[in-house]
Amino acid sequence: AQKVTQAQTEISVVEKEDVTLDCVYETRDTTYYLFWYKQPPSGELVFLIRRNSFDEQNEISGRYSWNFQKSTSSFNFTITASQVVDSAVYFCALSEAWNQGGKLIFGQGTELSVKP
Amino acid sequence: KAGVTQTPRYLIKTRGQQVTLSCSPISGHRSVSWYQQTPGQGLQFLFEYFSETQRNKGNFPGRFSGRQFSNSRSEMNVSTLELGDSALYLCASSFAQGGSQETQYFGPGTRLLVL
Repeated sequence: AQKVTQAQTEISVVEKEDVTLDCVYETRDTTYYLFWYKQPPSGELVFLIRRNSFDEQNEISGRYSWNFQKSTSSFNFTITASQVVDSAVYFCALSEAWNQGGKLIFGQGTELSVKP
Repeated sequence: KAGVTQTPRYLIKTRGQQVTLSCSPISGHRSVSWYQQTPGQGLQFLFEYFSETQRNKGNFPGRFSGRQFSNSRSEMNVSTLELGDSALYLCASSFAQGGSQETQYFGPGTRLLVL
C-alpha cells in the first residue's frame, strides 16, 4: 500500500539554524513521483519540488536542498540558514504512475517554527 | 498568469444543508483535483477531473460529488452536511493530460464550517 510518513510533527529552530525535514514513503510501484509543498498560515499549498523515481540526484535551490535515497525510501528536505519566513507546515507527497488521475498521497506534515 | 482561484473562501452551513464549492484552474490546465484537509485526517484526495470526466475518486461517501465544465472549471458538492465535513477544501490544477507526473498547483482553499 502507498503511504507517506513524516515522523516529525513539529520542529522549532532559531533563525539561521539548519533544519532537515524527514519524509519516508512506501510504494510498490517502480515509477512514482515525490513532491514537497509548503503551507503558510494563509492555507494555500505552495509547490516546492518534484522528483521522479529514476532521478536520484540531489537538488539545491538557494537555501533549500533535497536528498532522495531510493535505498531507504526517503526524500528529505533541508533548509539552510533558516529564516522566520520559512515558518509553515511542510508536506511531502507521493504520486504513483499507475494512478492516471493525479492522486497525491500526503504525509501528515511537519510544522516548522523559526524563531528570531 | 493567474493562479487557481476558489470561491467562496469561507462558508458557514448547518447540518443537513448542502454546499457547492467552485474552482477555476490556471489557464491552460485541464485537470482539476479536490482535497479535503482536516486536523485529524490531514490532506485526503477526493476526486480528479479531466476533460469533464472523473478519472479518479478517493474514499469518500457518495454525499461528495463533483463535476467539470467544458472550460475546465470545476465544482464540488456536498449534500446532507455533517459536522465532520468541516474542513479546508483545496482545489488543484495541472497542465494538459494531468496524471501522476504532473505538478499540481493549489488554490487558497474554501474553509467550510458546519454547525
